[in-house]
Amino acid sequence: SQQGEEDPQALSIQEGENATMNCSYKTSINNLQWYRQNSGRGLVHLILIRSNEREKHSGRLRVTLDTSKKSSSLLITASRAADTASYFCATDGGGSNYKLTFGKGTLLTVNP
Amino acid sequence: DSGVTQTPKHLITATGQRVTLRCSPRSGDLSVYWYQQSLDQGLQFLIQYYNGEERAKGNILERFSAQQFPDLHSELNLSSLELGDSALYFCASSPSPGIYTDTQYFGPGTRLTVL
Repeated sequence: SQQGEEDPQALSIQEGENATMNCSYKTSINNLQWYRQNSGRGLVHLILIRSNEREKHSGRLRVTLDTSKKSSSLLITASRAADTASYFCATDGGGSNYKLTFGKGTLLTVNP
Repeated sequence: DSGVTQTPKHLITATGQRVTLRCSPRSGDLSVYWYQQSLDQGLQFLIQYYNGEERAKGNILERFSAQQFPDLHSELNLSSLELGDSALYFCASSPSPGIYTDTQYFGPGTRLTVL
């Protein structure tokens, strides 16, 4: 089964609104990453948060990490139509297990 | 553009056949990763090579094999193809050998259709 599970599976919002996606995982981790994928194309790295960090910002992105709940959230503020894509969280297995495992993703649609 | 190139972009073949997918990593990256993305399984890690050596293995079938050449490009060989092998195959690269979690840079993918 997937290490990371995103929630919701799909999200539809209007341009200018904020979008929040959640990720839950099962084992301890070293880091958690968020990636974006436009339809049928390669994944693009957005942000990496380490297990000892609680929050990280990059432009309009804000990521939080709660290791006690084994969960993370990705907030995209002031969304744009160009943000329409699938968003994936990726986790390693903790310790010396650095293989990334991806969730099934959240499909975000931003309507103009 | 991530700097990772994959060829071909699309591949259509028949069951039982064998195909080879090719990946060139970003300049300077020594690690290459292969992933399979399908609707039902999501994005699955297949295998990682670092500087020509196999580094980590994921859910790779025995019918699949990969290698990384001295010039660091990599090939994924899929044989005895089945309908269920139809998927997007991505290659990614990173600088590190995977001794710590690294940002991976993904190529545009090869869409394989098995008829």
